[in-house]
Formats: sequence, structure tokens, C-alpha cells
Amino acid sequence: DIQMTQSPSSLSASVGDRVTITCRSSQNINNYLNWYQQRPGQVPRLLIFAASTLHSGVSSRFGGSGSGTEFTLTISSLQPEDVATYYCQQSYSFLRAFGGGTKVEIK
Amino acid sequence: QVQLVQSGSELKEPGASVKVSCKASGYTFTNYAVNWVRQAPGQGLEWMGWINTNSGNPNYAQGFTGRFVFSLDTAVNTTHLQISGLRAEDTAIYYCARGFYYDSDSDASDVWGQGTLVTVSS
Repeated sequence: DIQMTQSPSSLSASVGDRVTITCRSSQNINNYLNWYQQRPGQVPRLLIFAASTLHSGVSSRFGGSGSGTEFTLTISSLQPEDVATYYCQQSYSFLRAFGGGTKVEIK
Repeated sequence: QVQLVQSGSELKEPGASVKVSCKASGYTFTNYAVNWVRQAPGQGLEWMGWINTNSGNPNYAQGFTGRFVFSLDTAVNTTHLQISGLRAEDTAIYYCARGFYYDSDSDASDVWGQGTLVTVSS
């Protein structure tokens, strides 16, 4: 099974900061990587698919990159509404495992 | 609009069964897969598997075989998750989510149900 590992597990940053979250897969998944945002008490929401394609309606503050085994989600300028837990998910293999999540807070 | 609407919260005793429904509207039901995702209290997302809405063929992740069953009722654009032999550790929010394929074998969950809380307690 492909394992997905996110780092850090949590972070605290100031409004306006650039934030980067890393997701690593245990084997090559090409670019079959999705990112989701889950705000406190809310339903998860798709942000990015195919590693770098922004889903419809998602702010351009969010960006994704990477291929193979290492991927990043970047928030270019952190805003209060970005407080959430972010999850990566691989869609390369049959078992669509999620990463453990990265909790983003405002300092 | 495109939406998935799930059935309401459930409180069940250990050993009982529960059936969670997920009704789709606003799109052609059989054009998209349905994924199921579990979230235990205070924990992360756990992908349970998916069901092919064309064939009705379910596919389960490890750890979700045996007691978990996905089914369809295409006449009413609804997917079901049934869990038997409930245990305290099954207490969680269960989400259905539409899977759209951006490649032949790769999908992302672009529309989510509101979640159904299943609580297992005596």
C-alpha cells in the first residue's frame, strides 16, 4: 500500500505569511495527488487535483507542485479564513489513502 | 445545484447495524463514482472505498471489508453505506463524496455530503 506522510503536522503563521505544506508518498505516484481543506467544523473541500490544478472557485492564493514522491501545497499569503486542516490524497493506486493532515493556525 | 444529501445522525448500541444514505441531485448520477470517507472524533480523514455507480461494483479499502457494505439505488440516485456488528471504534462522521475522474484511473472528490455522525454506545 502507498503511504502518505505530511509535514509538519501543525504550524502557526502570521497573516500575510507564505505557508508551505509537504506531502510525501512511499512510492512514485506521478502527479496523481489531491489536496483538501477542512475548516473547523466543516466538510472537506477539494482545493487542487493532479498535483497542481486548482479546482473551480478556489482562491489563487493556493498553489500545488511536485511529482513522483514529493509534493507541496503553498498558501502565498495566509488569510484568517485559511485556518484549517489540510490533507493530501493520492489517486494513483486503488487505495486512495489520505495523509495525516496539517493543521494551520494564525499566530 | 449539485449536491449530496446524507441521512441524519444515528445512535446505535454495540452489535447493531446502521445504514447511512447519500442522495445525489443536480447531475447525472451514473457519470460519477461515490467515495466514502470516515472521520473519527478529532482525527483525520480515512478513505473507506468507493462504488461504481454504473455497475454497482463496490471496492473497499483494507480495514473496511466484511462489516461494511456499499450499495446503490439508482432509481432514486442514492448510495448507501451499511455497517454491521457496530463497535465503539466505529463512532465517527461518515462522508460520501462524488468522485470525478480527471484521468482514466484517477479521481478527486469534488462534492461532499454534509456527513452523518454515527455514535456507538450502550
